[in-house]
Amino acid sequence: DTQMTQSPSSLSASVGDRVTITCRASQDIKIYLAWFQQKPGKAPKSLIYAASNLQSGVPSRFRGSGSGTDFTLTISSLHPEDFATYYCQQYNTFPFTFGPGTKVDI
Amino acid sequence: QEQLQQWGAGLLKPSETLSLTCGVFNGSFSGYYWSWIRQTPGKGLEWIGEINPAGSISYNPSLKSRVTISIDTSKKQFSLKLISLTAADTAVYFCVKARTYWGPGTLVTVSS
Repeated sequence: DTQMTQSPSSLSASVGDRVTITCRASQDIKIYLAWFQQKPGKAPKSLIYAASNLQSGVPSRFRGSGSGTDFTLTISSLHPEDFATYYCQQYNTFPFTFGPGTKVDI
Repeated sequence: QEQLQQWGAGLLKPSETLSLTCGVFNGSFSGYYWSWIRQTPGKGLEWIGEINPAGSISYNPSLKSRVTISIDTSKKQFSLKLISLTAADTAVYFCVKARTYWGPGTLVTVSS
């Protein structure tokens, strides 16, 4: 299986901060990486697919980048509604696998 | 507005079978990837399997011997069966359309 790691596991930030989350794959996954946002008690919401493509309706302050094994999710200016847990997922090779998550809180 | 809804028993005993169904309301069904994913506090998000638009099904090898995914296009429904349950199968189960749109999740608890 392709192992996914994320760093940091959690971070504290303030409204207006720039936040960067890193995701690393144990093998080359090309650009087959997605990012999800999850709030407590809710289903994950898709933010980005194919490493850097924003899903429809997702604010432009979210940006994904990377290819191969190293990827980042950047929130350019944190809004109050962005406090959540973020997951990366590779869909290059079965079984698809997720990172352990990064919790962004105040 | 399109909605994914899930239904099925939420409390099961060890050795029983989990059966969940996901339906699309006010939306399209055919021609998409359909997936099941589960989430536990301990193991995080775990991909169970998916069916692609051509009807080919892929399963997580860790569950393959116990899981069946099926689809009924005429009813716009997508189903999951997991046999021989143990406490380790306690999780929130999500159906996912197009690898993008997640259902609300169903908490399944396995306990004697």
